[in-house]
Amino acid sequence: EIVLTQSPGTLSLSPGERATLSCRASQSVSTSYLAWYQQKPGQAPRLLIYGASGRATGIPDRFSGSGSGTDFTLTISRLEPEDFAVYYCQQYGSSQYTFGQGTKLEIK
Amino acid sequence: QVQLQESGPGLVKPSQTLSLTCTVSGGSIIAYFWSWIRQPAGKGLEWIGHIYSSGNTNYNPSLKSRVTMSVDTSKDQFSLKLTSVTAADTAMYYCARVTMLRGFPQWYFDYWGQGTLVTVSS
Repeated sequence: EIVLTQSPGTLSLSPGERATLSCRASQSVSTSYLAWYQQKPGQAPRLLIYGASGRATGIPDRFSGSGSGTDFTLTISRLEPEDFAVYYCQQYGSSQYTFGQGTKLEIK
Repeated sequence: QVQLQESGPGLVKPSQTLSLTCTVSGGSIIAYFWSWIRQPAGKGLEWIGHIYSSGNTNYNPSLKSRVTMSVDTSKDQFSLKLTSVTAADTAMYYCARVTMLRGFPQWYFDYWGQGTLVTVSS
């Protein structure tokens, strides 16, 4: 099983700042199969990024993904109030999906 | 717009079987993979398994001995059964669709249900 480790656990920033979230895999992940989700309290996760860098339908361009191999990054270029949430990375490999433990992005 | 809706008992007794159904509307259940994912309160996401519309399944090895999934294409529904539940199975249970592109699964989830909370307690 591929383990995804997200850092930091909590990120405290102010609106307008840049957020950089990390997802590190225990072994190499196919770039095609790395996704990021946003989850707000009481809601289901929402797909943000697929294939490590593709933006899902309706996702603002302030969200971007990058990385390959074992290191992946989600960047939010300029935080809006609605961006404060929990973010999860997810991979598919060896016929299994795994998720990172999440990064909570909170207002400073 | 594809919509998924989970349904089933919100309370299950220990050692009994948890049974949930996901109803798909606004799109076809045919030729897609459908997953169950759960999330204990305040914790992360755990993939339980997926089923293809033909009935082929793949389960998380950590739950495989207790999980059965099925699909009813005539009703646009798929279902989850989890046997011998304990308090550790208390969680929000989500159903979700795996994205397909030109007939090939992309292995991420584009549509999710709102989730249904299942509590295991006597």
